[in-house]
Amino acid sequence: KNQVEQSPQSLIILEGKNCTLQCNYTVSPFSNLRWYKQDTGRGPVSLTIMTFSENTKSNGRYTATLDADTKQSSLHITASQLSDSASYICVVPEASNSGYALNFGKGTSLLVTP
Amino acid sequence: DGGITQSPKYLFRKEGQNVTLSCEQNLNHDAMYWYRQDPGQGLRLIYYSQIVNDFQKGDIAEGYSVSREKKESFPLTVTSAQKNPTAFYLCASSVGTGTFGEQFFGPGTRLTVL
Repeated sequence: KNQVEQSPQSLIILEGKNCTLQCNYTVSPFSNLRWYKQDTGRGPVSLTIMTFSENTKSNGRYTATLDADTKQSSLHITASQLSDSASYICVVPEASNSGYALNFGKGTSLLVTP
Repeated sequence: DGGITQSPKYLFRKEGQNVTLSCEQNLNHDAMYWYRQDPGQGLRLIYYSQIVNDFQKGDIAEGYSVSREKKESFPLTVTSAQKNPTAFYLCASSVGTGTFGEQFFGPGTRLTVL
């Protein structure tokens, strides 16, 4: 069972507009949540890592929020640019007998059009 | 891509052949990982290695093999036993395997079986 669910699956917005991507998780206990950006045909690149005590964290035009009570996170992109077109992946680690495992969401595919 | 290189970028294989994907990192990271990515699915862990000469199976290890003879290198062999090998393969590394250990990804290898 997938413990990280992302929505929407895909999104198309006009250049300059804002958008918000959602991530819901059921992983417990919670340690941190990560957002990655993956350009087509490339490896994911970390945007932000949020720990339990952090509610909001910004990285340029990207702002992530975390509500550990409701187990929800969002990634807000401000003043979108064509280069923001990518897949955005939410990842939540989970402790396991052998260390830990990463639970990957299926990603939200964002297309920014002129 | 954070000091992790993967080669080749594209690889074509005939059915029944074994192929080896290369992954090298110069980040001095102890842990290395192999993931498989299919369209519309989250990344799935194939194998991981926490130290040299040691590696563990991930969620989908069947049909794959790895070695870790050097800290910098973690090659993945896709054997003929892997029934559906066409996919995008990502290598990653991290300082350790704790839940706060950020993983850095390589650029990926796209394998196509003809």
